[in-house]
Amino acid sequence: AQSVTQLDSQVPVFEEAPVELRCNYSSSVSVYLFWYVQYPNQGLQLLLKYLSGSTLVKGINGFEAEFNKSQTSFHLRKPSVHISDTAEYFCAAALSGGYNKLIFGAGTRLAVHP
Amino acid sequence: GAVVSQHPSWVICKSGTSVKIECRSLDFQATTMFWYRQFPKQSLMLMATSNEGSKATYEQGVEKDKFLINHASLTLSTLTVTSAHPEDSSFYICSARAPVGYNEQFFGPGTRLTVL
Repeated sequence: AQSVTQLDSQVPVFEEAPVELRCNYSSSVSVYLFWYVQYPNQGLQLLLKYLSGSTLVKGINGFEAEFNKSQTSFHLRKPSVHISDTAEYFCAAALSGGYNKLIFGAGTRLAVHP
Repeated sequence: GAVVSQHPSWVICKSGTSVKIECRSLDFQATTMFWYRQFPKQSLMLMATSNEGSKATYEQGVEKDKFLINHASLTLSTLTVTSAHPEDSSFYICSARAPVGYNEQFFGPGTRLTVL
């Protein structure tokens, strides 16, 4: 069965420091991978997605992620975070396109401190 | 990008009553919509897939008679929580299959349901 694991439930970081949020997936077939951000009491906003092609994906708000098939990972990175990046981040996977059933990881709470 | 709205954004009801939540795609037609449930500090769990003009497909463990889904048009899907109880209190989020070419889902802002 397909699953998504986010290795860190919380990540505290100081403002302007780099950050990496880790995500691993398990699937024996090709998957499509996504990172979403959720601010308190709001829905999800897509940060970036990997469908095919280049393994380095750039998204909004300065975020990027790298798809690593051999390690079945899709870690999210940002070189310099801001206070406004404080939010919950979800990694998700789909077997047959991002418009179909998504499997979400448990989420990582990014807390940016001044 | 495409916009999905939900109404209401929050609702408080008494135990035993039914509550209807609407999910609308504002600027595109969505043949498929999804309903998710999210408990505090937890991830999203898919409840059901809603297809316009046909019965919804529910995930294992989700009570069909408890959570009624109706996808009456290409822009509207509704979730009705029947005979709500405090354990149904949660954050409900819908999403809509994006138009051709986007290869993603667009999420609504969510509805906070509190059952007293």
